Amino acid sequence: GAGVSQSPSNKVTEKGKDVELRCDPISGHTALYWYRQSLGQGLEFLIYFQGNSAPDKSGLPSDRFSAERTGGSVSTLTIQRTQQEDSAVYLCASSLDNSLYNEQFFGPGTRLTVL
Amino acid sequence: AQSVAQPEDQVNVAEGNPLTVKCTYSVSGNPYLFWYVQYPNRGLQFLLKYITGDNLVKGSYGFEAEFNKSQTSFHLKKPSALVSDSALYFCAVGRGNNRLAFGKGNQVVVIP
Repeated sequence: GAGVSQSPSNKVTEKGKDVELRCDPISGHTALYWYRQSLGQGLEFLIYFQGNSAPDKSGLPSDRFSAERTGGSVSTLTIQRTQQEDSAVYLCASSLDNSLYNEQFFGPGTRLTVL
Repeated sequence: AQSVAQPEDQVNVAEGNPLTVKCTYSVSGNPYLFWYVQYPNRGLQFLLKYITGDNLVKGSYGFEAEFNKSQTSFHLKKPSALVSDSALYFCAVGRGNNRLAFGKGNQVVVIP
């Protein structure tokens, strides 16, 4: 079956522009996670959605970052007024639910470069 | 706070030799521990997890990991490394709502 997909695979933008990153989770997975992988910070949690509950935004690094999940499926991560330090690979993952017994399946990521 | 540490940046091993990638954890309560692997230009792939039960956990691609409570470790092992095992390996600990806190990763290089 289809795994987690992300688009675009690469995004180059200029400092100050807004970007949107998309994640399509595995069908039927109620939990969706965004992570950021950067050279200096490793892999860090950003935000988490579970069903129709309010998202856990505790990992978002600033108010320039936001995310939504429409219809309990597709998610969009938006970064406003991008800065060079936002350059990283943004990974999306989904799991059957938020139980620790269920593994997370990761997408291939979106590589964001802010010039 | 739940966290893991991967003390080595890179692990070099000759093909056919045993491979060990180290991970130690710091948690309050019961630990939920995971190993993921990342091949070049690809997302993370799940290898194995420890939630409860046997301390020796077997996973994908011939990997296994041993949970050691007294040493707070969860080292990843493979008896005989393959060149195709060359990749970036991440240890992680599960926090509330299954959020994962990852270690910084270990680059494994298997030398033919």
